[in-house]
Amino acid sequence: GAGVSQSPSNKVTEKGKDVELRCDPISGHTALYWYRQSLGQGLEFLIYFQGNSAPDKSGLPSDRFSAERTGGSVSTLTIQRTQQEDSAVYLCASSFDSGSYEQYFGPGTRLTVT
Amino acid sequence: AQSVTQLGSHVSVSEGALVLLRCNYSSSVPPYLFWYVQYPNQGLQLLLKYTSAATLVKGINGFEAEFKKSETSFHLTKPSAHMSDAAEYFCAVSLMEYGNKLVFGAGTILRVKS
Repeated sequence: GAGVSQSPSNKVTEKGKDVELRCDPISGHTALYWYRQSLGQGLEFLIYFQGNSAPDKSGLPSDRFSAERTGGSVSTLTIQRTQQEDSAVYLCASSFDSGSYEQYFGPGTRLTVT
Repeated sequence: AQSVTQLGSHVSVSEGALVLLRCNYSSSVPPYLFWYVQYPNQGLQLLLKYTSAATLVKGINGFEAEFKKSETSFHLTKPSAHMSDAAEYFCAVSLMEYGNKLVFGAGTILRVKS
């Protein structure tokens, strides 16, 4: 079946612009996770959703970062007023629910802030 | 707080030789443990997981890992390396009470020499 998809696969933006990254989880998966992978920081948790609510936003690095999930499916990660340090690969994962062990990852969105 | 330490950012083995990638974890309660593999420009793929059942866990592509509570370790092994095993490997820990968000080690890049 279809896996986790993310769009765009690559995004180049100018410093100060806003960007939206999209994640389509596996159908029927109620838990959705966002992670960031960067050279300096490795793989970091950002936020997770169970259904449409986000019980844990502790990994969001600043208030410029926000995420939402509607209809228990698609999620959007928004970064406002992008900075060069936001350049990274943003990975999305989903699992059947937050009590499930296995998370399935999408291919990621590579964000470059110039 | 949970944490993961992977010893060796780079490991090089000859084709056909034993692969050993080291992972130690820190957790206040027995965690769930995972190994993921990442090929260039791709997302993360789950190799294997430990979820408090058998301590020796077998995964895909001939990999296995052993959970050793006394050593707080979860090392990944494969008896005979293939060229196709060249990739980056991440050890991760999660706790159900934290929504099973993953905390990753820094990663180990495996190089396989012919």
